[in-house]
Amino acid sequence: DGGITQSPKYLFRKEGQNVTLSCEQNLNHDAMYWYRQDPGQGLRLIYYSQIVNDFQKGDIAEGYSVSREKKESFPLTVTSAQKNPTAFYLCASAGTANEKLFFGSGTQLSVL
Amino acid sequence: SQQGEEDPQALSIQEGENATMNCSYKTSINNLQWYRQNSGRGLVHLILIRSNEREKHSGRLRVTLDTSKKSSSLLITASRAADTASYFCATDKKGSGGSNYKLTFGKGTLLTVNP
Repeated sequence: DGGITQSPKYLFRKEGQNVTLSCEQNLNHDAMYWYRQDPGQGLRLIYYSQIVNDFQKGDIAEGYSVSREKKESFPLTVTSAQKNPTAFYLCASAGTANEKLFFGSGTQLSVL
Repeated sequence: SQQGEEDPQALSIQEGENATMNCSYKTSINNLQWYRQNSGRGLVHLILIRSNEREKHSGRLRVTLDTSKKSSSLLITASRAADTASYFCATDKKGSGGSNYKLTFGKGTLLTVNP
């Protein structure tokens, strides 16, 4: 998982609660991404950021929000508007000259 | 809909055998990548093949790309129990400027290598 740290590994959300997933990288990568993975499924893109202070919606952004105030950090907030948040969330980064993605170890979010 | 679809969904082999997984996609691509995921972990990049390449090797891995058939295959030779994992293909659609934000993942092939 080298260079990208996601925390916590497990997270529980109560009804109506917002929760924030942390993603930090020390690879000096410009681009960072959040993906959602449901059991037996591929990854779906939630949000991505190609540079500090800029980010774009992916394919399933509704009910999520992000910020990119620092190059190293790209936190994801799962809001109460996301009605089906239970999933495995993966953060990734990529250098501008390097096309492969480096992934964190993931956060499993469950609803209480 | 998924851009890349892996086949088979699951594959079980004995240690020492070769494992072949296939990926089909729908639209023209800039490149195709293969990733591996151990259960409950993040994905690890294995290999990237560009649209103008036909074959690439990395250790025990061999990837082929047939753009006329819009398909790719991943061959793992002399498999080991430690190769047990899910394998995903990911495509970078042509027209996306080569940017990773258009990287689309398939549902994966679950490979089990029995000792």
